[in-house]
Amino acid sequence: RKEVEQDPGPFNVPEGATVAFNCTYSNSASQSFFWYRQDCRKEPKLLMSVYSSGNEDGRFTAQLNRASQYISLLIRDSKLSDSATYLCVVLHKDNFNKFYFGSGTKLNVKP
Amino acid sequence: NAGVTQTPKFQVLKTGQSMTLQCAQDMNHNSMYWYRQDPGMGLRLIYYSASEGTTDKGEVPNGYNVSRLNKREFSLRLESAAPSQTSVYFCATGLAGGPKFYEQYFGPGTRLTVT
Repeated sequence: RKEVEQDPGPFNVPEGATVAFNCTYSNSASQSFFWYRQDCRKEPKLLMSVYSSGNEDGRFTAQLNRASQYISLLIRDSKLSDSATYLCVVLHKDNFNKFYFGSGTKLNVKP
Repeated sequence: NAGVTQTPKFQVLKTGQSMTLQCAQDMNHNSMYWYRQDPGMGLRLIYYSASEGTTDKGEVPNGYNVSRLNKREFSLRLESAAPSQTSVYFCATGLAGGPKFYEQYFGPGTRLTVT
C-alpha cells in the first residue's frame, strides 16, 4: 500500500471556481504534512504546511483530519496561474529526513 | 545566490554505463537529498545526508551510491545504468529545524534516459 495516495485528476475547472483535493496517508505515525506545487517539467516548491488546527494562506486552505488520516487543500477563486500538479507530502515522527510524496493531483484552470 | 544547482540537466546513457549526477547548494543547509520522480509514482527518496559526513538509504537505494563531499555538495552515482533508472532526478536541501518548520528546496532536476 502506498504511504500517500492522491487522486491523479486532472481536475478541470473554470477561472473563479473553488476546487478541493484530498490526500490520504497510511501511517498513523505521520506527524507533519505539507502541500507542494509542481509546475510542468519544473521542481516542486512548498505551497504550505498543514497544521492540526487547519490553516489558511490567502485563497488556499489546508485541513488535517488525523482520525481519518487525510489532508485536504481548498483553492478558492481559482486563477489560470494555479494550473499545476499539487503534491501531498507527509513526514513520520521517527525520521524527520524521510519525506513521503503522493503522486500528485493535476489541476487545469480554464479561462 | 543560486539556491540548489544540478548538473547535467539532461543525459542519455547506454545500459551498463556509469555516471555521476552533481548537486550543490549555497543555502548553508545541513540536510541534502536525492529523489527520483517517475510518472504515477511521485517522488521517491533514494538517499539522504542529514549532515556533512553522513549518508543514509531512502526508499529506493538499489543501484545508486552517494557522496557528501562537503556541506555544499552531494553527488549521486549510477555505477551500471539500467533502463529502469530512466527518470527525473531531483536534489533537495533542507533545514533540520523540526517538523513544523521543515521545508525542502529542490534543484531544477536532471532528466536521465537509459537505452
